Amino acid sequence: RKEVEQDPGPFNVPEGATVAFNCTYSNSASQSFFWYRQDCRKEPKLLMSVYSSGNEDGRFTAQLNRASQYISLLIRDSKLSDSATYLCVVNKGVLTGGGNKLTFGTGTQLKVEL
Amino acid sequence: DAGVTQSPTHLIKTRGQQVTLRCSPKSGHDTVSWYQQALGQGPQFIFQYYEEEERQRGNFPDRFSGHQFPNYSSELNVNALLLGDSALYLCASTSGLKAVGSYNEQFFGPGTRLTVL
Repeated sequence: RKEVEQDPGPFNVPEGATVAFNCTYSNSASQSFFWYRQDCRKEPKLLMSVYSSGNEDGRFTAQLNRASQYISLLIRDSKLSDSATYLCVVNKGVLTGGGNKLTFGTGTQLKVEL
Repeated sequence: DAGVTQSPTHLIKTRGQQVTLRCSPKSGHDTVSWYQQALGQGPQFIFQYYEEEERQRGNFPDRFSGHQFPNYSSELNVNALLLGDSALYLCASTSGLKAVGSYNEQFFGPGTRLTVL
């Protein structure tokens, strides 16, 4: 079983739609959780961190459920510029010897269309 | 303020050859991690360097080795290249492992795309 599993893609949605990405992780010792965005043939960039209380950044909302080991990302009113691959990322943290090692899911490709 | 830089941007090698990839961290960062991203996959952690020592290692064979220099820049070396080593190699930098339990954001470079023929 992979440490981080994501929805299979691609997701093709019309502009303005709401799209949700889901992710599960297997290591209960994981401490930090993130969504990264990766444009085609570019490096990953941090989109947002994910907290148990949930956090929102404009059209983006991320949620963490530690009991279920589940992470989600919601994009509202999607734009053409949101087209990218979204990577679910987990870090075990220094306390559990993970340091700053990031474990990535395979990513889910989003295509927003006119 | 320069971000993470990597060289070269593209590289083509043949099976059995050796390759060296280079990374300069973002200003103020002292920890460098290397990741391999195969086509259609997420990045996979290779190893991490801090204070010129390998601190953590992922599930990669000994053919993959690295080095960190006093100026915090780093090299990734791969010996005896295989076709399966073809991938985007990403370097990420961050501040060091100072605070237990804390996480410092990692910033990625643009990567080196390695093709093994």
